[in-house]
Amino acid sequence: TQLLEQSPQFLSIQEGENLTVYCNSSSVFSSLQWYRQEPGEGPVLLVTVVTGGEVKKLKRLTFQFGDARKDSSLHITAAQPGDTGLYLCAGRSGGSYIPTFGRGTSLIVHP
Amino acid sequence: GAGVSQSPSNKVTEKGKDVELRCDPISGHTALYWYRQSLGQGLEFLIYFQGNSAPDKSGLPSDRFSAERTGGSVSTLTIQRTQQEDSAVYLCASSLASGRTDTQYFGPGTRLTVL
Repeated sequence: TQLLEQSPQFLSIQEGENLTVYCNSSSVFSSLQWYRQEPGEGPVLLVTVVTGGEVKKLKRLTFQFGDARKDSSLHITAAQPGDTGLYLCAGRSGGSYIPTFGRGTSLIVHP
Repeated sequence: GAGVSQSPSNKVTEKGKDVELRCDPISGHTALYWYRQSLGQGLEFLIYFQGNSAPDKSGLPSDRFSAERTGGSVSTLTIQRTQQEDSAVYLCASSLASGRTDTQYFGPGTRLTVL
């Protein structure tokens, strides 16, 4: 079983601050995805990364896949209250069609 | 429909009763997944359907859990003789295929409470 450890588990910050959340594993993943989940809703895909060292930007969000494809990070610049939610990473290894999800990082951005 | 729908949105039942949870995937999506999300936990894989292939049931926690997918579309997750530890949010997701970059589209979930 591949485990994905996410840190921190909880994060409470003020609007305008920067933050980084991490997703780590001892396993190598062929792809890694980040989702955001808001209360009462299902997760929504933010990004997919597949190449070691890959960096993707989505407005104020920057995603990085580790060189060894075992870890990933999500950096948010100038956080806004609308960024509040649960951030989940999910990795697939080899040819597996079933992603392994981390426990998530719960982010609250105060106005 | 425009997205994945699930019903009911909330279900409260008594210990020992059976429950059925329904998922309507996005039309044309061949892959369908069921997950369970407990408080403070990530998504726990339950079962996976792909086209007409036999489902992958490797995530079902006990034989009280079963699921079917009729006509390659609607899916029903059945929990028999519910226990309090079954209380969780049950999420369904569908995708066009099952490749490593395929996007899973999730429904809003069914919150199950077993008293």
